Amino acid sequence: EIVMTQSPGTLSVSPGETVTLSCRASQSVSTNLAWLQQKPGQAPRLLIFGASTRAAGIPARFSGSGSWTDFTLTISNLQSEDFAVYYCQQYDKWPPYTFGQGTKLEIK
Amino acid sequence: EVQLLESGGGLVQPGGSLRLSCTTSGFSFGSHAMNWVRQAPGKGLEWVSSIEGSGGRPSYADSVTGRFTISRDNSKNTLFLQINSLRVEDTALYFCARERGGHFYTELDSWGQGTLVTVSS
Repeated sequence: EIVMTQSPGTLSVSPGETVTLSCRASQSVSTNLAWLQQKPGQAPRLLIFGASTRAAGIPARFSGSGSWTDFTLTISNLQSEDFAVYYCQQYDKWPPYTFGQGTKLEIK
Repeated sequence: EVQLLESGGGLVQPGGSLRLSCTTSGFSFGSHAMNWVRQAPGKGLEWVSSIEGSGGRPSYADSVTGRFTISRDNSKNTLFLQINSLRVEDTALYFCARERGGHFYTELDSWGQGTLVTVSS
């Protein structure tokens, strides 16, 4: 099973700032990596797939990069609606699909 | 508009059973693999089970193998999860999630709002 490790666990930032979230896979997943956003009481929402492709309707301030084992999600010019929990998920090797433990983005 | 709506959750005693449903609309259901993903209270996401668009190759997390059964009715655009021999640790919000492709190894691009399963005596 591929273990996905996200860092940091919590990030306190101010609106307007730029943040970078990290995700590391225990073995290569090529670019078969997705980022999801989850707000309290809501379902997860796909932001990025293929490590760097934005899903439909996702603003350009969200960008993903990386390959093999190391990936980042960058959010520029943070908006109030961006404060949420972010998960990475690999779909390169299945079963099982595996998720990181999440990074919580909170308002400073 | 793609829509996924889960139902069937509830409070059940340990050892009990439930059948979860995910009713879908707005897309060609049989063209997409489908998944169940769960989230225990205050915890992260855990993949539970997958099934191909054709209904083939059901697969399960080790923690649920032998107790959970995934199925689908493509004529009714509905996904199911039969969950038996429930344990306290199965308590979670259960999401159905659509996979972009008909087979596996693609991203989960649409999610339902979830149905809550609570296992307690």
